[in-house]
Amino acid sequence: QKEVEQNSGPLSVPEGAIASLNCTYSDRVSQSFFWYRQYSGKSPELIMSIYSNGDKEDGRFTAQLNKASQYVSLLIRDSQPSDSATYLCAVGGPGNTGKLIFGQGTTLQVKP
Amino acid sequence: EAQVTQNPRYLITVTGKKLTVTCSQNMNHEYMSWYRQDPGLGLRQIYYSMNVEATDKGDVPEGYKVSRKEKRNFPLILESPSPNQTSLYFCASSLYPPQGAYGYTFGSGTRLTVV
Repeated sequence: QKEVEQNSGPLSVPEGAIASLNCTYSDRVSQSFFWYRQYSGKSPELIMSIYSNGDKEDGRFTAQLNKASQYVSLLIRDSQPSDSATYLCAVGGPGNTGKLIFGQGTTLQVKP
Repeated sequence: EAQVTQNPRYLITVTGKKLTVTCSQNMNHEYMSWYRQDPGLGLRQIYYSMNVEATDKGDVPEGYKVSRKEKRNFPLILESPSPNQTSLYFCASSLYPPQGAYGYTFGSGTRLTVV
């Protein structure tokens, strides 16, 4: 079992809809969770971090964490064509090291 | 401009010919890391560093070496490259532990082809 799993997609949604991206992780003691966005041919960039169970909102983005189910999700409201990208879920390793484990990413396509 | 700089951006080399991919950051970041990205496999961590002279293996360290003699530089060394090391490589850095709110800042990537 992979440590961080995502559905590779593509996930296709119409413009203005809510896009829902999901991620599961295997290490029950994980404490930090992240969503990065990667446009085609570009490097990943951090868009959200979450550490506590529940929801965290930032503009059109909402990250959701359920540690009991080992599940992280990202909701994008009012999806725009500019949101079309690959979204990478990442889980922090133990301690204050540099370890950050990524899933394989979900490709999102927002159609005008 | 604050950035992580990788060189070269593109490299085609032959099996067995030693190469170094350089990574430099101008943000005085403590933490640095190397990842490789392959289709269907996502980003996999090769090595990471917590500070000068402090490095540790990631998930796929075989065939790679790193060194951190100065805070700003974190080169990736392939002593004897093989075709299965053909990949897109990213260097990343962070002032704080990347498990914190700021995560990693990534370089622009190096596309390596080993023939």
